[in-house]
Amino acid sequence: AQKVTQAQTEISVVEKEDVTLDCVYETRDTTYYLFWYKQPPSGELVFLIRRNSFDEQNEISGRYSWNFQKSTSSFNFTITASQVVDSAVYFCALSEDRRNAGNMLTFGGGTRLMVKP
Amino acid sequence: SAVISQKPSRDICQRGTSLTIQCQVDSQVTMMFWYRQQPGQSLTLIATANQGSEATYESGFVIDKFPISRPNLTFSTLTVSNMSPEDSSIYLCSAGRQGAGDTQYFGPGTRLTVL
Repeated sequence: AQKVTQAQTEISVVEKEDVTLDCVYETRDTTYYLFWYKQPPSGELVFLIRRNSFDEQNEISGRYSWNFQKSTSSFNFTITASQVVDSAVYFCALSEDRRNAGNMLTFGGGTRLMVKP
Repeated sequence: SAVISQKPSRDICQRGTSLTIQCQVDSQVTMMFWYRQQPGQSLTLIATANQGSEATYESGFVIDKFPISRPNLTFSTLTVSNMSPEDSSIYLCSAGRQGAGDTQYFGPGTRLTVL
């Protein structure tokens, strides 16, 4: 069975600090996909990034960067120079292909990030 | 990507009543899903909405409690039946293609409070 663990339930930082959100996953699949979603207070889930298990290259998008390490089954998310608007709950998720039943996303418990001015 | 809308955005309902939530996608998609997010918790998949056939429910969720329809490739409904306060949650619809690892895009969610 697949499992995603986000050990940090809540993180509080001051604006402009860098912050890293940890994600550790478990799967028996050799091919799998990892995702990060952001859930602001309004409640909608915003897609941030998707990575497949064969691409371990780190990715940077503006102030966001992701570090995928297969050896440690981790897919960590770093926000550089955090801003108040980054305050949200962030979910890491793992995709399992169940053939005709379609993809199943297994979500971690989420990390609530609070950025104070 | 897909743009997904849900109605209603929120509702307050009485115990024992039922509420139907609508989900509309702006393009034809193969897969549509319904998730529940209980207060302060993560998301749990309720079921996969199959076009033209019965939905596929996850363990712990049954059709009598959460009947789902999907009459075409862009629309689905979820009904929460005979509600109790324990059903108070955010219900989210998502959509994506069937291919492995395809991104699921989510609707804005429906915040349900049952008194």
